[in-house]
Amino acid sequence: ETGVTQSPTHLIKTRGQQVTLRCSSQSGHNTVSWYQQALGQGPQFIFQYYREEENGRGNFPPRFSGLQFPNYSSELNVNALELDDSALYLCASSLEWWDTQYFGPGTRLTVL
Amino acid sequence: ELKVEQNPLFLSMQEGKNYTIYCNYSTTSDRLYWYRQDPGKSLESLFVLLSNGAVKQEGRLMASLDTKARLSTLHITAAVHDLSATYFCAVGETSGSRLTFGEGTQLTVNP
Repeated sequence: ETGVTQSPTHLIKTRGQQVTLRCSSQSGHNTVSWYQQALGQGPQFIFQYYREEENGRGNFPPRFSGLQFPNYSSELNVNALELDDSALYLCASSLEWWDTQYFGPGTRLTVL
Repeated sequence: ELKVEQNPLFLSMQEGKNYTIYCNYSTTSDRLYWYRQDPGKSLESLFVLLSNGAVKQEGRLMASLDTKARLSTLHITAAVHDLSATYFCAVGETSGSRLTFGEGTQLTVNP
C-alpha cells in the first residue's frame, strides 16, 4: 500500500504566475484535503474534496482552486501568485472525510 | 470560529524528564488529533481522540482528551533525544471537514 505522494517537491515561481500542485491519495481513500503551512506556523486548511466534490473551504481567496479526479488524485491550482503564497503545501488523504488525515511530503513553493 | 492554542510553544527538556504539552480549543468538537513534524518533513499522525476521557498511549507519549474543559494533553515520559520535533494538535469541526491546527510546540530534548 502506497502512502500519499505529492509533486513536485520544490517549485520556484514569480509573482503573477500560475501553479498546479498534484497529490495522489493513499489507496482506498476518497477524501483529500489541502493545507498551506508558512514557516514556523501550523497548517492552514485550504479546502477538502470528498468523492470529487468540494466539501469545505477555509479562508483562502478564489484564486486558490482545486479538483479531485475519479481515481481520487487531486490538484491545487493557484492563480496570480503573490509573495505571501510562499509556503509548504500539504495534501492529506483520509478514508472518509471525518477520518484521520494522512499527510504527504509536501510541495515547497517559493514565489519571487 | 474555532481557535486552537497550544502551550508551551517552545520546550527544552533534559533526557529522562517528564513534561506535558497542552492544547485548548474554543468551541465544541468531536475529534482531536496529535501530529508530529520533523524539520523539513511532513506531518506524522500520532493519536486520534474521539470521546471525552479518551486516553491513548504509544511508547513514551500519552494523549488525553477532556471535551468539557476543551482541553487535550500530550504527556511525555522519560524523554529521549529522538522525541525532538514539533508537535501539533488539530481539532475537527463538529459535522464539518475542516481541521484547525494549533501553532505547534517545538520540543528539544537535550542529553
